Amino acid sequence: EPEVTQTPSHQVTQMGQEVILRCVPISNHLYFYWYRQILGQKVEFLVSFYNNEISEKSEIFDDQFSVERPDGSNFTLKIRSTKLEDSAMYFCASRGTSYRETQYFGPGTRLLVL
Amino acid sequence: DQQVKQNSPSLSVQEGRISILNCDYTNSMFDYFLWYKKYPAEGPTFLISISSIKDKNEDGRFTVFLNKSAKHLSLHIVPSQPGDSAVYFCAASEGSYNTDKLIFGTGTRLQVFP
Repeated sequence: EPEVTQTPSHQVTQMGQEVILRCVPISNHLYFYWYRQILGQKVEFLVSFYNNEISEKSEIFDDQFSVERPDGSNFTLKIRSTKLEDSAMYFCASRGTSYRETQYFGPGTRLLVL
Repeated sequence: DQQVKQNSPSLSVQEGRISILNCDYTNSMFDYFLWYKKYPAEGPTFLISISSIKDKNEDGRFTVFLNKSAKHLSLHIVPSQPGDSAVYFCAASEGSYNTDKLIFGTGTRLQVFP
């Protein structure tokens, strides 16, 4: 069964460093998302991406964040200068093109900023 | 801003009995609702969804009920099995062309004991 994959599974970084989180969405999906979950809190929407551009972003997704689809398979989230409060699980999701198709989530990347 | 609420942080049910997980929402623009199950260190796994034009959707042991007037939905699992032990998230989406982001509740931890 096709699935969304994410790398790395864990990332530890120093405050102020740049990190890139990688995702491989399900192959025939065209809508892509990033969500995050801070420990003990709910899953929060960050950004949606379609047709090589951002469709929607939340207030969390400030200028320190960017997304990119560098090739036909990868979808990345970059945090330019990490802060302590960026420590969270980051989930990538994708869905197909039909109306109301389900978003399928990857296993997540646990980011720890020290 | 708690547009989707799951007021019970945990639920304990005996194997073979019915589990009922509840979810309330405040945004009347929501028209699509989903339940995800999440194990520790994994991403949310889609379980079942329901559109606002329906009041019930069933898939095997899982049934979701939607009461639009009360802005309430529930997930019934019957019979409950120990493998159902996980955190269950309710999520909602608006019926808008411009957005399909999912708004999640805080989750209910279900424990099914023998």
